[in-house]
Amino acid sequence: EAGVAQSPRYKIIEKRQSVAFWCNPISGHATLYWYQQILGQGPKLLIQFQNNGVVDDSQLPKDRFSAERLKGVDSTLKIQPAKLEDSAVYLCASNGGGYEQYFGPGTRLTVT
Amino acid sequence: SQKIEQNSEALNIQEGKTATLTCNYTNYSPAYLQWYRQDPGRGPVFLLLIRENEKEKRKERLKVTFDTTLKQSLFHITASQPADSATYLCALEEWAVFGKGTKLTVNP
Repeated sequence: EAGVAQSPRYKIIEKRQSVAFWCNPISGHATLYWYQQILGQGPKLLIQFQNNGVVDDSQLPKDRFSAERLKGVDSTLKIQPAKLEDSAVYLCASNGGGYEQYFGPGTRLTVT
Repeated sequence: SQKIEQNSEALNIQEGKTATLTCNYTNYSPAYLQWYRQDPGRGPVFLLLIRENEKEKRKERLKVTFDTTLKQSLFHITASQPADSATYLCALEEWAVFGKGTKLTVNP
């Protein structure tokens, strides 16, 4: 079984630029999560999808962050415009109905 | 809001000893709590889940306890090995309020 795929693995941008991250969850997993993990911190949930609907986006900075999962499969997270404090690892995870979340390798974003 | 704390940022132990990591939570009564392992440059990997009505859960050399009175979970690795060196995260339930993690280093 293939795991959660994310791309790119690394991205360096200047502040005020835009960036997008892509995630392909494990096949058949209805629930998809995006997390932000700042160095030395635990993952912070940004948004949770159930199929193509948003379950929780209470911690998503909606003035600059957006996410979509149009066909209920893969998902894109976008930041526009980026700030220095957005430098972090962005993790995607999926869940197939059980308790366990399966995480991807993450995208390391550096904003200069 | 829910808050979860892992008391130690780092723990260094000698190979063969038992590592004990602590996770405390406040402002919540979770139905279950999870433990994950995270290696550098990788996403967290699920290890164990313990429910509120379970006192203890074991998996190979791993043991987790859950004390709802103390609002605390303890994570033990017995007969620790250098390969156990990683950051260990605890998380509240499915929507996963994560702690900051404890970086465990097992010295040979």
